[in-house]
Amino acid sequence: AQSVAQPEDQVNVAEGNPLTVKCTYSVSGNPYLFWYVQYPNRGLQFLLKYITGDNLVKGSYGFEAEFNKSQTSFHLKKPSALVSDSALYFCAVRDDAGTASKLTFGTGTRLQVTL
Amino acid sequence: EAGVAQSPRYKIIEKRQSVAFWCNPISGHATLYWYQQILGQGPKLLIQFQNNGVVDDSQLPKDRFSAERLKGVDSTLKIQPAKLEDSAVYLCASSLRPGTSVTDTQYFGPGTRLTVL
Repeated sequence: AQSVAQPEDQVNVAEGNPLTVKCTYSVSGNPYLFWYVQYPNRGLQFLLKYITGDNLVKGSYGFEAEFNKSQTSFHLKKPSALVSDSALYFCAVRDDAGTASKLTFGTGTRLQVTL
Repeated sequence: EAGVAQSPRYKIIEKRQSVAFWCNPISGHATLYWYQQILGQGPKLLIQFQNNGVVDDSQLPKDRFSAERLKGVDSTLKIQPAKLEDSAVYLCASSLRPGTSVTDTQYFGPGTRLTVL
């Protein structure tokens, strides 16, 4: 069975500093990894995904994520945080080990960016 | 391009009452998903449709939850009767290709926040 872990409930960072939101995964087959962001009273917005190829994936709003197969991780990063980045971030994974594989989400990490 | 539409945005009901949620996916998207997001948790898949057929409903509490996607476009999720533990945000998502395409991106609607008193 596939699973995702987001070890930090909350990440605090000052505006202008780099940010990292951690995600590790467990799958049977090949992993396909996604990051979504959720603002208050809004649905999930797609940020980026890793399918294959370059381990560094670039996405929306200046975010990027690094796929590390040996560490089974897919951490979300941004070189310079903005106060407007404050939101709830979800990592999700699917694998190709079976048919109709579900998208499995982590429990979310709240990012708080302060001035 | 219009996104996934959902209504209502908020609903408050008493336990044992019935409630229905509506979803209109992105035009042309073959696959539609309903998720339940309980406060403090990630979304959990309830049911997945490909066109108007059910692909996966293994996590749908079928004694009280039902869903349909008539004509392969709009979908309705119903709860009858509701329990206190059904309080959650119900998210609808759609993706362009069939659900077996594990690389396809799912796009989410704004959700319906259900409160059961």
